[in-house]
Amino acid sequence: EAGVAQSPRYKIIEKRQSVAFWCNPISGHATLYWYQQILGQGPKLLIQFQNNGVVDDSQLPKDRFSAERLKGVDSTLKIQPAKLEDSAVYLCASSLDPRERNTEAFFGQGTRLTVV
Amino acid sequence: AQSVTQLDSQVPVFEEAPVELRCNYSSSVSVYLFWYVQYPNQGLQLLLKYLSGSTLVKGINGFEAEFNKSQTSFHLRKPSVHISDTAEYFCAVISTDSWGKLQFGAGTQVVVTP
Repeated sequence: EAGVAQSPRYKIIEKRQSVAFWCNPISGHATLYWYQQILGQGPKLLIQFQNNGVVDDSQLPKDRFSAERLKGVDSTLKIQPAKLEDSAVYLCASSLDPRERNTEAFFGQGTRLTVV
Repeated sequence: AQSVTQLDSQVPVFEEAPVELRCNYSSSVSVYLFWYVQYPNQGLQLLLKYLSGSTLVKGINGFEAEFNKSQTSFHLRKPSVHISDTAEYFCAVISTDSWGKLQFGAGTQVVVTP
């Protein structure tokens, strides 16, 4: 079974530029998550999708971050314009229905963003 | 709201020695508890989880954890570590009133030396 795919693995941009990350979840997983992991911290949830609807985006800085999952499969996370403090690893995860308590979230390898 | 505290940011340990990583949580509702491992430049991999039942949970790679409700703790242990256990370890919770949202601790870096 293929895992969660993310691209690119690494990205370096200048502040005020824009950047986009792509995630393809495990086939059949209805739930998709984007986490931000700043160096030295644990991952923090940015946004959670159930199929193509948003379940939780309370921690997403909506003035500069946006995410979509148009067909309920793969997803794109965008930052525009980027700030220095956006330097982090962006992790995508997917799971079956999280209301089923035995459901495990599977993580991709992440995209390491450096803003200079 | 819930929070997770990992009491040690870094734990150095010699190969074949035991290790314990401490995790405490706070929550106004019941929670499910997890330990994840992150190897360098990799994503997160689930080590073990506690949902209900026996408070001693066994996971992959010889790790185990014990849920202590009265102390709101979920400490991770391994009786004998290998060099390959060098990684970052994250404790996480999902509250039963959330929809699968993982709340992570800050992580504990384990460095195993010969």
